[in-house]
Amino acid sequence: GAGVSQSPSNKVTEKGKDVELRCDPISGHTALYWYRQRLGQGLEFLIYFQGNSAPDKSGLPSDRFSAERTGESVSTLTIQRTQQEDSAVYLCASSLGTGGSNSPLHFGNGTRLTVT
Amino acid sequence: GNSVTQMEGPVTLSEEAFLTINCTYTATGYPSLFWYVQYPGEGLQLLLKATKADDKGSNKGFEATYRKETTSFHLEKGSVQVSDSAVYFCALGGNTPLVFGKGTRLSVIA
Repeated sequence: GAGVSQSPSNKVTEKGKDVELRCDPISGHTALYWYRQRLGQGLEFLIYFQGNSAPDKSGLPSDRFSAERTGESVSTLTIQRTQQEDSAVYLCASSLGTGGSNSPLHFGNGTRLTVT
Repeated sequence: GNSVTQMEGPVTLSEEAFLTINCTYTATGYPSLFWYVQYPGEGLQLLLKATKADDKGSNKGFEATYRKETTSFHLEKGSVQVSDSAVYFCALGGNTPLVFGKGTRLSVIA
């Protein structure tokens, strides 16, 4: 596909269950980002992968959150023991570089997670 | 740390009205500034950018000028159209992950 693809588009889960969200970036994009958007809030940075460098995990809100990326391809964001406050839209973005002035972010449509 | 504050919405305008969406920032160093837009049912996409003070970014009739003295990057358009209805996000960054504002929903009515 031409754009960033995220799956599932919607996920409803019970409190305490684990969920896995998937992101397929644009081919050739070395940088991949996960953001979270709670209702009425801005985009909250979660984690950033750049090539083979160690990921920037500084935005992960707790140790229940983790993410992996294999090479420069698919990434999965895992949330363990989900809580109601985890309900949000999880956005993935990719870019050729660091997302700066010469390499804008390309976003997927997001996964809407609802924890009941 | 870096942060972005943008005016809260929703903003409702009639077609051909003038639009301003305010954005101010706090940052160390010399970040680049961006406006992203999210049209209904679509992902966020870059609208315009400015990489240094006094630069003006422009696209699709929208403009924003990087004002270092007022730490602002306000988005303007002289005559909005119904098709401009979307959520607009101000962001700053450079060589670090972008920091976004909360977004401003714009509705343009015919």
